[in-house]
Amino acid sequence: QSALTQPASVSGSPGQSITISCTGTSSDVGGYNYVFWYQQHPGKAPKLMIFEVSNRPSGVSYRFSGSKSGNTASLTISGLQAEDEADYYCASYTSSATRVFGGGTKVTVL
Amino acid sequence: EVQLVESGGGLVHPGESLRLSCAASGFTFSSYWMNWVRQAPGKGLEWVANIKEDGSDKNYVDSAKGRFTISRDNAKNSLYLQMNGLRAEDTAVYYCARDRNPLPWELPDYWGQGTLVTVSS
Repeated sequence: QSALTQPASVSGSPGQSITISCTGTSSDVGGYNYVFWYQQHPGKAPKLMIFEVSNRPSGVSYRFSGSKSGNTASLTISGLQAEDEADYYCASYTSSATRVFGGGTKVTVL
Repeated sequence: EVQLVESGGGLVHPGESLRLSCAASGFTFSSYWMNWVRQAPGKGLEWVANIKEDGSDKNYVDSAKGRFTISRDNAKNSLYLQMNGLRAEDTAVYYCARDRNPLPWELPDYWGQGTLVTVSS
């Protein structure tokens, strides 16, 4: 099972919007609406930011939104803030009943 | 409050075994699928294995099949990962994580703080 493909890094200035892509196949991202996004700050455990493609858990800022088109899911962070600087990972259910993560994207706030 | 606390990590030599534990509290442990996810130093997250609420169904990443065994004890609210034949590439922080809903296609919502496993001669 190959990892989902994410850009290694994305950057933006405070207040701007950025989008992180997550590309898989029809056996994972494209085949199911079970795509999750996680935020991880250095030395910390991952935190769930988006579940089932586009849903925000309670307590997660409205500035975070998710979507999917075909085999590619996306996470958009609007109104970028310094605290958003972190690593972001997508993950998906797969047709083999396993789970697969993306390689991770480092978000830098300029 | 959901809490997951891993233990059992440490330094081992290649070929040796190690058993990780995860103590769960703050939710009905026996109602959720549970996962192990690992992160090698400076690398990304890698899903390792998961187990159904009653332990009757388990799934593994290919690199873990035949070497790692996931198990649980619902009476003790505990999750385990028995790791045999450890290799240098198994060096990682191992996280215990709870699935968001008790469904077989869910993914994790809550994560522990992790326990470090180092495999080195």
